[in-house]
Formats: sequence, C-alpha cells, structure tokens
Amino acid sequence: GAVVSQHPSRVICKSGTSVKIECRSLDFQATTMFWYRQFPKQSLMLMATSNEGSKATYEQGVEKDKFLINHASLTLSTLTVTSAHPEDSSFYICSARDRDSLETQYFGPGTRLLVL
Amino acid sequence: GQNIDQPTEMTATEGAIVQINCTYQTSGFNGLFWYQQHAGEAPTFLSYNVLDGLEEKGRFSSFLSRSKGYSYLLLKELQMKDSASYLCAAMDSNYQLIWGAGTKLIIKP
Repeated sequence: GAVVSQHPSRVICKSGTSVKIECRSLDFQATTMFWYRQFPKQSLMLMATSNEGSKATYEQGVEKDKFLINHASLTLSTLTVTSAHPEDSSFYICSARDRDSLETQYFGPGTRLLVL
Repeated sequence: GQNIDQPTEMTATEGAIVQINCTYQTSGFNGLFWYQQHAGEAPTFLSYNVLDGLEEKGRFSSFLSRSKGYSYLLLKELQMKDSASYLCAAMDSNYQLIWGAGTKLIIKP
C-alpha cells in the first residue's frame, strides 16, 4: 500500500526555536496534503490543507504566520512551527491524498513535538 | 453545520463482540471511514463505506445507512490488542474528512 513518511518522528526543542517537519509520499503523487494536530486524549484537529504549488488553507484559529506550510512538490510538504512555545507541544500528523483517488488519504506516522 | 457523533468510551470483554456507532451530518457525502488509533501512534485505516450495506473484512465489519446518516463498526472475537481509539470520519463534498472525537475501546480479560 501507499506509504507516507514523516521526519523527524520525535523532536525536543527550546522555547523560541523553530521546528520543521517533513511529510513525504513515497510511492504516489499527492496533490493535497493535510496537517493535523492531536493533543493527549483528544481527536485529530485539522490545521491546514496544503495543495501543491499554492498557498495552504488554514482552519479557523490556526495562525498561518506561526505554522508555515510549504508544498513545493507532489511528494513533499513541510510544516514549520515558528518560535515554538510549550503550548505547541503536541502530536503532529500529516496525511496525503492520492492524486488519482480523491477519497483516499494515507497517514504518516506522526511527529511528537515537545517544547521545553 | 457538519458534525460527527460517536460514544466517548466503551468497554467489552475479550472474545466478545462490540459495535461502535457513529452518526454524521455533512455538506455532501463521499464516504464514511473508520480508523484505529493506538495511543501515541497515527491512525490506521480500517474501512471505507460509500454505499449502503455491510462491508466485512475479517474480524471487523462496517455498516452504512446513508438515509439515516449512520454507520457502525463491528468488532468480533475481541483481542486485547484491539484496545484502542476508533475514529469515525465522514468525507464531505470537498473530499475533506470530518472527524469524530473517537471512541476509546477498553478490552477486559
């Protein structure tokens, strides 16, 4: 089946630093990638939808200047958490939609971010 | 508005059967998904229904009634490893997934 990778899987950083998370579709082309955040014991929260070659669409309440998304190719999207603070500590998960199958989304393994 | 409802938590016994219900309201409909998520891990795909009826896949089955906006996930011969959260998600007319809050399933010996 299709595989989506995320890197890094886990990151610990100091408050005020920026962290970049990569999401790659390994064996298919993804015109659309989704970024989710999940706090402990809560469900997935969609942060933004990223379309290749265009600006991301952010959900209400998500600061676009804080969570920078770049989707430069059909296989790579990045999420940069700028000036991270402890409240940004969370589990960040990306998913990628197969260009040839709009109803199919494949999830990456997630990135656990801890901001000290 | 768009909404997904599913129970917060359920408890069942190893070897038994459990049914997790989900009701949905979306703008348009392109299918109903069930995902399993173990603590600390990303969701993994279990099933996809777009037509009415029951889809069986091993110990897991999923049912959809589009007219009622209702789905359920049926787990048979429960095993301890089935302890996880089960997420119901409906896909709207824009092919966006609308997520439920998840049902935490606790399996007891």
